Amino acid sequence: EAGVTQFPSHSVIEKGQTVTLRCDPISGHDNLYWYRRVMGKEIKFLLHFVKESKQDESGMPNNRFLAERTGGTYSTLKVQPAELEDSGVYFCASSQVAGGHNEQFFGPGTRLTVL
Amino acid sequence: AQSVSQHNHHVILSEAASLELGCNYSYGGTVNLFWYVQYPGQHLQLLLKYFSGDPLVKGIKGFEAEFIKSKFSFNLRKPSVQWSDTAEYFCAVNAWGGSYIPTFGRGTSLIVHP
Repeated sequence: EAGVTQFPSHSVIEKGQTVTLRCDPISGHDNLYWYRRVMGKEIKFLLHFVKESKQDESGMPNNRFLAERTGGTYSTLKVQPAELEDSGVYFCASSQVAGGHNEQFFGPGTRLTVL
Repeated sequence: AQSVSQHNHHVILSEAASLELGCNYSYGGTVNLFWYVQYPGQHLQLLLKYFSGDPLVKGIKGFEAEFIKSKFSFNLRKPSVQWSDTAEYFCAVNAWGGSYIPTFGRGTSLIVHP
């Protein structure tokens, strides 16, 4: 069974440009999560989808970030326009059901560098 | 809101040395506790977890962690590390009755010299 995949693995862009990150969860997983880790700091929650609906987007830093999950399958996270402080590793995770007893499976992350 | 503190950010050991990584959390209610590991070039993966019951939890690859409720701690241990344990280790907590979104610590980078 394929795990969570993310594309691209690395992205280097200039301040002011737009970048779109993609996450493909494990097939059949209704729950999809986005996290971000800024260099040397905590992995921070961004948002949670249940199928195509945003269940919790309390961690989204500001309105330059837009996440979508049309059709409840893959998800995209767009940053527009990118700023220097958006640099970091963006992780996606999926789980079959929500709740504390359910393991989230993580993707390899996308390393975003904003110059 | 809960928070997680990992005291050691960088640990360097020789093979066969014993390992203990500290993790403390702040939250007054019932929690689930996790340790995740990210090997170089690989995905973040679950090492072990505690939900209830025996506070000494055994995980994969010989790792274990002990939940000490009175100390709000969930330290990770391994009696004898191997070069292949070189990785970054993250402690995480989520709260019962809340969103179940885990709160992560800053991570500990472990380097094991052969």
